[in-house]
Amino acid sequence: EDKVVQSPLSLVVHEGDTVTLNCSYEVTNFRSLLWYKQEKKAPTFLFMLTSSGIEKKSGRLSSILDKKELFSILNITATQTGDSAVYLCAVGYLIDYKLSFGAGTTVTVRA
Amino acid sequence: EAEVAQSPRYKITEKSQAVAFWCDPISGHATLYWYRQILGQGPELLVQFQDESVVDDSQLPKDRFSAERLKGVDSTLKIQPAELGDSAMYLCASSPSGDSYNEQFFGPGTRLTVL
Repeated sequence: EDKVVQSPLSLVVHEGDTVTLNCSYEVTNFRSLLWYKQEKKAPTFLFMLTSSGIEKKSGRLSSILDKKELFSILNITATQTGDSAVYLCAVGYLIDYKLSFGAGTTVTVRA
Repeated sequence: EAEVAQSPRYKITEKSQAVAFWCDPISGHATLYWYRQILGQGPELLVQFQDESVVDDSQLPKDRFSAERLKGVDSTLKIQPAELGDSAMYLCASSPSGDSYNEQFFGPGTRLTVL
């Protein structure tokens, strides 16, 4: 059975801190790993990773994929209260275009 | 910027009633997905359409749920009869066809409460 596991389930930090979110997976027909940010609404796309070891960056957010050890990390530096959200990891499959999501990590950034 | 549209945004119903949700994907997106997201969990795929055809409905509870995309554009998800356990966020997403895409674009969702 395919698994996408995120850790930690939740964390609370103060503004300016750095957070590291983890996503491990065990799936067949892996194609890509995606990160989404979900505030109190629909998920919004952050990154899609397909190759190992290549970091993707967008402002204070960055992510990397390790296809050998089957995990990805999402880093947020210099956190702001607007970063408070649920961060979802999803695996995309080769054969069809489905996504399997993890349960998410809830990040709370306190001023 | 093109967006996925969903309606209604919120729906409160009593158990054993029928409910319907509507989704209009981004123009030109051939693939449409319906997800259910229970509080504290990630989205779970219910049904996937490629144009007007169902590609995957293995997780759709077919005794009470139905979905259609008659003209390959907008889509309707129906629940009849609704049960207490159906309370959740129902998300619609779309993506372009093609070999290189897994990225999906989500609509604002419909929050269903069954009393």
